[in-house]
Amino acid sequence: GDSVTQMEGPVTLSEEAFLTINCTYTATGYPSLFWYVQYPGEGLQLLLKATKADDKGSNKGFEATYRKETTSFHLEKGSVQVSDSAVYFCALRENTGGFKTIFGAGTRLFVKA
Amino acid sequence: GAGVSQSPSNKVTEKGKDVELRCDPISGHTALYWYRQSLGQGLEFLIYFQGNSAPDKSGLPSDRFSAERTGGSVSTLTIQRTQQEDSAVYLCASSWDRDQPQHFGDGTRLSIL
Repeated sequence: GDSVTQMEGPVTLSEEAFLTINCTYTATGYPSLFWYVQYPGEGLQLLLKATKADDKGSNKGFEATYRKETTSFHLEKGSVQVSDSAVYFCALRENTGGFKTIFGAGTRLFVKA
Repeated sequence: GAGVSQSPSNKVTEKGKDVELRCDPISGHTALYWYRQSLGQGLEFLIYFQGNSAPDKSGLPSDRFSAERTGGSVSTLTIQRTQQEDSAVYLCASSWDRDQPQHFGDGTRLSIL
């Protein structure tokens, strides 16, 4: 079945460092891809999405490009802030049949001042 | 309220008891999802409702789990004869339609003693 694998955390960075959180997927069809974020004490919220190959999703300085050839959707940010400390979830949504969404295990990010 | 509302926020119960978890989706959202998040794990899909269609129950872990959605709005997730491994945070999400981003509630933290 479809699955999502993302790098294990926690990831600890200093403020203004470059961030990459790797995410790869397996899917039989052509899924949509998402990054969700969960800030401390808050619920999950959508960060960005991409619906087809080569699409780039972006929001709040974060970017991720849908790479069909490598089945990847890595999350990047050029300069992290303390306020980016959160848990980040990569997810795919099947676009046929039941439209089920499958989430990765999450990667916790700590940003130090 | 404007967001997805879940109740109770916390539930502690004894092994073997039945529990009911409630989800009020955002008004007008036709799609509703239930997930389970165990400690240190990603989100595990449980069940998905879309309008008046038959729900996708493929993620329910056992026949002790069931869910219904009345009137296309409020949903109840029921766990019968709870076991300790049922302890987790149960998250509900809704979206305008099945191919739109999901909005998550704050979850119900269920603890089975």
